[in-house]
Amino acid sequence: QTVVTQEPSFSVSPGGTVTLTCGLSSGSVSTTHYASWYQQTPGQAPRTLIYTTNTRSSGVPDRFSGSILGNKAALTITGAQSDDESDYYCVLHMGSGIWVFGGGTKLTVL
Amino acid sequence: EVQLVESGGGLIQPGGSLRLSCAASGFTVSYSYMSWVRQAPGKGLEWVSIIYSGGNTYYADSVKGRFTISRDSSKNTVYLQMNSLRGEDTAVYYCVKTRDYSFEYWGQGTLVTVSS
Repeated sequence: QTVVTQEPSFSVSPGGTVTLTCGLSSGSVSTTHYASWYQQTPGQAPRTLIYTTNTRSSGVPDRFSGSILGNKAALTITGAQSDDESDYYCVLHMGSGIWVFGGGTKLTVL
Repeated sequence: EVQLVESGGGLIQPGGSLRLSCAASGFTVSYSYMSWVRQAPGKGLEWVSIIYSGGNTYYADSVKGRFTISRDSSKNTVYLQMNSLRGEDTAVYYCVKTRDYSFEYWGQGTLVTVSS
C-alpha cells in the first residue's frame, strides 16, 4: 500500500519562506508522478495551486512554486502572508489511473 | 464559467446505498476526466474514483467493488453509486474536473453520513 507523506504541521513567520514536501513511503517522487498541490481553508473546497510538479494554476501568485527536491515533490511559499495559513495537500499520480493524496500539512503563519 | 454542483448526500444506514450526482456546466463532461474526492470530518483528502473521457474508470482500493462512477452525457452529469456503505465512508464528497493531471475545478461537496 503506497503512502504519500507530508509534514503534519509547519510554522513560518510573516514574510518568511517555507518549503513543504511530499514524499513516498517507498521510493522517490519524480516528474512522472505529476505532483499537484492544493490549499484548503476550513469549510471550503480545495483550491488548486500547482500541477504537473511546477505549473502554477491560473490566478495563483508567483510566490507559490513547485519543484522536485531530492526524492520529494516540494511546495515553496516565498514571502508568506497571514492568509496563507491553511491546510496544504499534495497528490501523486501512481499510474493506471490511480491517485494518492498525502495526509496534508497544516501551515501556521505567526 | 465552470460550475460543479453535487447533490444526493444525506444520512444512510450501514449497508445501504446512495447515489451522488454532479451537475456540470461550462464544459462537457463526456470530453473531460471527472473525479470524486472525499474528506472525512476533520481528516484529509482521499481520492475515490475517476472516469476518463474514453469511459475507462478507476477506483481507490477502499471503495473498489462497492462504488461505481458513471456519467450521463445528455444531462452533463456525473454520478457515484455507493453500495454496501460503511461508517468509514462518512465524508464530504467532492466532484472534481480533472485536467493535465490536476484536480482543476472542485464543487462545494455533499455530505454523506453513514450511521444507524
